[in-house]
Amino acid sequence: AQSVAQPEDQVNVAEGNPLTVKCTYSVSGNPYLFWYVQYPNRGLQFLLKYITGDNLVKGSYGFEAEFNKSQTSFHLKKPSALVSDSALYFCAVRDPGTYKYIFGTGTRLKVLA
Amino acid sequence: EAGVAQSPRYKIIEKRQSVAFWCNPISGHATLYWYQQILGQGPKLLIQFQNNGVVDDSQLPKDRFSAERLKGVDSTLKIQPAKLEDSAVYLCASSPDEINYGYTFGSGTRLTVV
Repeated sequence: AQSVAQPEDQVNVAEGNPLTVKCTYSVSGNPYLFWYVQYPNRGLQFLLKYITGDNLVKGSYGFEAEFNKSQTSFHLKKPSALVSDSALYFCAVRDPGTYKYIFGTGTRLKVLA
Repeated sequence: EAGVAQSPRYKIIEKRQSVAFWCNPISGHATLYWYQQILGQGPKLLIQFQNNGVVDDSQLPKDRFSAERLKGVDSTLKIQPAKLEDSAVYLCASSPDEINYGYTFGSGTRLTVV
């Protein structure tokens, strides 16, 4: 079955430190991969995507993500975390067979001042 | 650019009552989606429209849920009758090109069924 896993319910990081939010997927074929962020009482906002090409993709607000086909992962990263980055982050994959988007369960990022 | 508008923001109803949610997508976005996000879970697609036609409603519980997008612009999602397990945030999203731009989501409607 097609699936997306975000193994951490919450990630805590100190302001100024690098952050990583993990995502692994299971789909057949070449997936399209996405990260979205959800701030309190707000809708989900598109951060970045991987379709093809360079495995390291850059997105909004200084975030980037690395696609690793052998590990079927698409971890979200940022070199220096800000308190304002604290939010709920969702990984999503578009199944290349059904074209449906599958979202992970979300990871709450808390950046401590 | 105005975002995706949804109303109401919150709704509390008793089980077996009916409820309707409204969504106005970004102007010019042909594709519109309704998602259900249960607390602690990721969003789950309920229905996808392309203009005023349904592209995918395979996960819509059609015995109680219905949706329409009559003029290819705004959309309504209805639940009749509601069950306790329908308590969730209902998100509307639109996109001009879901591959290159991703979705733009509205703030959602939080439904509580008591």
